[in-house]
Amino acid sequence: QQQVKQSPQSLIVQKGGISIINCAYENTAFDYFPWYQQFPGKGPALLIAIRPDVSEKKEGRFTISFNKSAKQFSLHIMDSQPGDSATYFCAAGAQKLVFGQGTRLTINP
Amino acid sequence: GAGVSQSPSNKVTEKGKDVELRCDPISGHTALYWYRQSLGQGLEFLIYFQGNSAPDKSGLPSDRFSAERTGGSVSTLTIQRTQQEDSAVYLCASSLVRQGGSEAFFGQGTRLTVV
Repeated sequence: QQQVKQSPQSLIVQKGGISIINCAYENTAFDYFPWYQQFPGKGPALLIAIRPDVSEKKEGRFTISFNKSAKQFSLHIMDSQPGDSATYFCAAGAQKLVFGQGTRLTINP
Repeated sequence: GAGVSQSPSNKVTEKGKDVELRCDPISGHTALYWYRQSLGQGLEFLIYFQGNSAPDKSGLPSDRFSAERTGGSVSTLTIQRTQQEDSAVYLCASSLVRQGGSEAFFGQGTRLTVV
């Protein structure tokens, strides 16, 4: 019940395309769903987060879609840029956060 | 300080030696996490401290690993009799604890190399 499953493990997208990363959780008590971005040699940093009272949150080119009934949420990166190349982690929790295994995203110029 | 501080940033140790890794969380943050990240891999949960509650040690890979948090602030992760498979980046994060969850802030990590 504590797992968060993230897919795909790696993703290659052409510049200008849409990058989509998916996560699924099991614990219905989870009420906070953040996405973290990590560049090489750095710690993960918060990118965008959503709470279960909304189905979508958009910040610039980044959008979280949330499906409470399916217990799934996803990150969409519109107009993907080479600078978006990084590892992305989803997480879920109520107080303690549980992280997904990460997706290595590469944007080809 | 403004963020989570970890020291040392890099540590090279000989197999069989003990090491201590330090984490200074953001002031006022009651929750503290330790994670391990092997090269190019995901985050492996190690241990979670929350206030005065008993820590969640469910992620510690063996009894060679231990951690403590003194005075609800600084935390030390100790690895005894290090092995080559312990080589990884050890990340610490802290957060406030409140209803509805809150952001975890990560340090830069300690890169441990066991030779």
